[in-house]
Amino acid sequence: DADVTQTPRNRITKTGKRIMLECSQTKGHDRMYWYRQDPGLGLRLIYYSFDVKDINKGEISDGYSVSRQAQAKFSLSLESAIPNQTALYFCATSDLKDRAGETQYFGPGTRLLVL
Amino acid sequence: QKEVEQNSGPLSVPEGAIASLNCTYSDRGSQSFFWYRQYSGKSPELIMFIYSNGDKEDGRFTAQLNKASQYVSLLIRDSQPSDSATYLCAVSDSSASKIIFGSGTRLSIRP
Repeated sequence: DADVTQTPRNRITKTGKRIMLECSQTKGHDRMYWYRQDPGLGLRLIYYSFDVKDINKGEISDGYSVSRQAQAKFSLSLESAIPNQTALYFCATSDLKDRAGETQYFGPGTRLLVL
Repeated sequence: QKEVEQNSGPLSVPEGAIASLNCTYSDRGSQSFFWYRQYSGKSPELIMFIYSNGDKEDGRFTAQLNKASQYVSLLIRDSQPSDSATYLCAVSDSSASKIIFGSGTRLSIRP
């Protein structure tokens, strides 16, 4: 089984709808991240969390919210989806106790289309 | 705004040759540097990390770091068609709390 899973893998929604993307991990890592990827723009950080009680905004948090329900679960919500939130979304984890420090391990991604 | 810059490519290299990918970064306090490979439609996967100035080799891959010039590079020797992918350079910020990714260089290995 994959260490970092994301659900759903694909989602089509309409403008104004609220949706949630979920991420679960079995790696036992404390740190979790949400990124979006757009063609030509690389990965941009939306939110990150270092433990259940710690939530931090990334560079593009407007229009998004997150919830860290447990060490292993980190959800991303779009409160009122808009078309420019159409993108590929990745969840990632990391553990400073790893030899490679801040190395991030990515889930398979969720492809979101907002009509 | 702390930045990581890469040439978007595409970079076309003949099979068996050396592919050279470059990256510059703006945060002088950065301590950790990473190269990720991403196949089309897939998630990024780590191929190299480097912390110290100089070269680090792992199989066909060599990462090079020059902190004075704020420059990181990745060399791929004996390039194979399976190396065709987008390569993302990533740099930790000076607080070591998060990583900043470049926009990636698309590499194409031609037979």
